[in-house]
Amino acid sequence: KQEVTQIPAALSVPEGENLVLNCSFTDSAIYNLQWFRQDPGKGLTSLLLIQSSQREQTSGRLNASLDKSSGRSTLYIAASQPGDSATYLCAAYSGSRLTFGEGTQLTVNP
Amino acid sequence: NAGVTQTPKFQVLKTGQSMTLQCAQDMNHEYMSWYRQDPGMGLRLIHYSVGAGITDQGEVPNGYNVSRSTTEDFPLRLLSAAPSQTSVYFCASSYSIGKMNTEAFFGQGTRLTVV
Repeated sequence: KQEVTQIPAALSVPEGENLVLNCSFTDSAIYNLQWFRQDPGKGLTSLLLIQSSQREQTSGRLNASLDKSSGRSTLYIAASQPGDSATYLCAAYSGSRLTFGEGTQLTVNP
Repeated sequence: NAGVTQTPKFQVLKTGQSMTLQCAQDMNHEYMSWYRQDPGMGLRLIHYSVGAGITDQGEVPNGYNVSRSTTEDFPLRLLSAAPSQTSVYFCASSYSIGKMNTEAFFGQGTRLTVV
């Protein structure tokens, strides 16, 4: 059974700081890994999808990497802004389902 | 392009009542799924479908029924609501599941309270 863990559970940083969110998964036989953002009381917004054959994906200030052999993915946020405050979730596709971590709650202080 | 639409957004039920949560997508996605999100437990898969007429159980299927008569719609039925089903429910869709996987899109959620 796939298990996904995200560390840290919560993170508070000053505006402008670069930061890294971590995601680990137990079953390396994944098809893809996807990062989401969730604002309080809202749905999930897709940030980046990394296919199993890729090592990283970039979108604006976001960069996600994938290392299947070690069962890890990281989400790098450059020059953080207060608007980046949200919960960030990673999810691994394996078998016929998507397995989520519990998320990292990020607060960026002005 | 509406994406994934869930209705209702909020619902209060009495214990023992039944109801259907609606989910529709307009992206011609084959794969659709239902999750529940609870504090401290993350998102857990309830049921999923890989195409019209095909459904299967996820991690927490008890107390829920699904059917997939069309590609667009994937309703979730609560047979006899219990307080333990108080949660936020999310519907998701993607082109396929497996090696040709593509990006998953989520609805805005249904907040259900069972009293």
